[in-house]
Amino acid sequence: EDQVTQSPEALRLQEGESSSLNCSYTVSGLRGLFWYRQDPGKGPEFLFTLYSAGEEKEKERLKATLTKKESFLHITAPKPEDSATYLCAVQGGETSGSRLTFGEGTQLTVNP
Amino acid sequence: DARVTQTPRHKVTEMGQEVTMRCQPILGHNTVFWYRQTMMQGLELLAYFRNRAPLDDSGMPKDRFSAEMPDATLATLKIQPSEPRDSAVYFCASGLVRDGRWFTDTQYFGPGTRLTVL
Repeated sequence: EDQVTQSPEALRLQEGESSSLNCSYTVSGLRGLFWYRQDPGKGPEFLFTLYSAGEEKEKERLKATLTKKESFLHITAPKPEDSATYLCAVQGGETSGSRLTFGEGTQLTVNP
Repeated sequence: DARVTQTPRHKVTEMGQEVTMRCQPILGHNTVFWYRQTMMQGLELLAYFRNRAPLDDSGMPKDRFSAEMPDATLATLKIQPSEPRDSAVYFCASGLVRDGRWFTDTQYFGPGTRLTVL
């Protein structure tokens, strides 16, 4: 069974204070690792897909990296508008089909 | 800007009543997912369809939940009878998959239906 654990559960930063969110996973045959952002009262919004260890992707102040056991979402010089819950999900091997298994999320608060 | 749409956005009902939630996937997407999100369980997959055919409904309580795709532009999730423990936010998501590979980056989520069962 695919499993995803995100840490920390909650993170409070000052504006400009860089940090990283962690997503540890156990999956048989990783076919993709996905990061989403979710604002209160809204659906998850796609950020990145990573397919293989060593891959990195960037978007504005966010950078996602992937190893064989975990992924990090690095946030550089965050702004208050980066406050949201960040969700990590994995797609396992062929038997998983198109199913994504989500972690519980990290709730990020960036104070001005 | 193509988006997944869901109706209603909010639903309050009494225990025992039937609830129907609707989803319009993004045009051209062939795979549609239904999720439930609660504080306790997080985001759980209930069922998903490819080309309107159900592929996996293992996450769905079979006795009271049913999901269908009457046509390519409409997916429905029905609960009958509803119970207070069904209170949650229900999300629909869609994506394009061919030969087991994503042709869209991933699946895209709708705004959700917040269901409260009293």
